[in-house]
Amino acid sequence: GEDVEQSLFLSVREGDSSVINCTYTDSSSTYLYWYKQEPGAGLQLLTYIFSNMDMKQDQRLTVLLNKKDKHLSLRIADTQTGDSAIYFCAELRIDGRDDKIIFGKGTRLHILP
Amino acid sequence: DTEVTQTPKHLVMGMTNKKSLKCEQHMGHRAMYWYKQKAKKPPELMFVYSYEKLSINESVPSRFSPECPNSSLLNLHLHALQPEDSALYLCASSQVSGTPLAGYTFGSGTRLTVV
Repeated sequence: GEDVEQSLFLSVREGDSSVINCTYTDSSSTYLYWYKQEPGAGLQLLTYIFSNMDMKQDQRLTVLLNKKDKHLSLRIADTQTGDSAIYFCAELRIDGRDDKIIFGKGTRLHILP
Repeated sequence: DTEVTQTPKHLVMGMTNKKSLKCEQHMGHRAMYWYKQKAKKPPELMFVYSYEKLSINESVPSRFSPECPNSSLLNLHLHALQPEDSALYLCASSQVSGTPLAGYTFGSGTRLTVV
């Protein structure tokens, strides 16, 4: 299938906002996700957004969805050193009666002191 | 219990060995998944189990053999692997296949090295 696209690297100063962008492929995707992966660890679900929403806010995280352009973004306010990780955008694709989550290549977030 | 537990955390095996990866969850999830993640790459779906039945096989070579003995357990049997199969193998589960409102819950993975 087609790829979920993300920029591979983002460098942000501590305390600033981080914005990670993603372009997904399936216009019929009902759920879109942001996962976080720290070095040597598994995947942690940060947040998700349903396709009939434009925005979702959860504490320091804001997700924006532009369904027309199939563009998803994750904004992390007041970025901290603990936010250093790889962030994966992911979309849910339906395969018959089953589903599968397909991941973008991941954006490595680097925090500058 | 809101976790997916994978064992072992690390595994080194020779190309002629047979080994198994194990995954367990007690959240009542009826869909379970195996993903493979190579270094600096995104996770790639391998298998989907729904209600203990294999429902999706993403054209995975037969040297990987999944098994779902009950609703809480998922195994991945490995035989005659190649060095390029070295990767992080992630297990995940979700409430009901087809309506994963909150995404999948992932385990921490098994880091497999084939020598």
